[in-house]
Amino acid sequence: QVQLQESGPGLVKPSPTLSLTCDVSGVSISSGNYYWSWIRQHPGRGLEWIGYIYYTGSTSYSPSLKSRVTISVDSSKNQFSLKLNSVTAADTAVYYCARVNIGHSTMRVWGQGTTVTVSS
Amino acid sequence: QSALTQAASVSGSPGQSITISCTGTSSDVGAYNYVSWYQQYPGKAPKLMIYDVSDRPSGVSDRFSGSKSGNTASLTISGLQAEDEADYYCSSYTSSSTFVFGGGTKVTVL
Repeated sequence: QVQLQESGPGLVKPSPTLSLTCDVSGVSISSGNYYWSWIRQHPGRGLEWIGYIYYTGSTSYSPSLKSRVTISVDSSKNQFSLKLNSVTAADTAVYYCARVNIGHSTMRVWGQGTTVTVSS
Repeated sequence: QSALTQAASVSGSPGQSITISCTGTSSDVGAYNYVSWYQQYPGKAPKLMIYDVSDRPSGVSDRFSGSKSGNTASLTISGLQAEDEADYYCSSYTSSSTFVFGGGTKVTVL
């Protein structure tokens, strides 16, 4: 059974970088059939796609966040990570990681989400 | 890229059918048959309900169906039940190799 689990600081001060990790179990992140994606949801708002990474390191980012986002993969740990620079209160959200089935471009498996609050 | 357009809310009585629309552009919804629909309960992660415009993952009720015409995709829920009350989001792959979500539709069962 494939499972994804986000982890990271729940409360961060406005700072240079927010870092989150998604641990993947039940499938190898290097299997090649999937992208590994980050999505966020601001309080009471809709879903916002952040970006995805392929196990080779190839990435795609949302145009609105591209200047501040880096997604990386660590195949040895079967995990991928999100770094968001110059975070402000506007980055307060629930952050989800998800597995994207390449052949269908759909997010079939999601993590439970982790709440990040940016506040001084 | 702009978010796909969805109505903020749709309601129906038990047993009725409702349809949620998702309007995009020729660069996303109209470009590929890669439209997905997700159901989300408060405080929970989204759940995939429809992919590739009209395919259902195993375990999803056949009361849920999807379609597309041009730049607009639709999700129909037939035989509406109380458990269907949730938020629904559409998503599309785009010609820029990115994804875009709709703003979400709150379904209320009267």
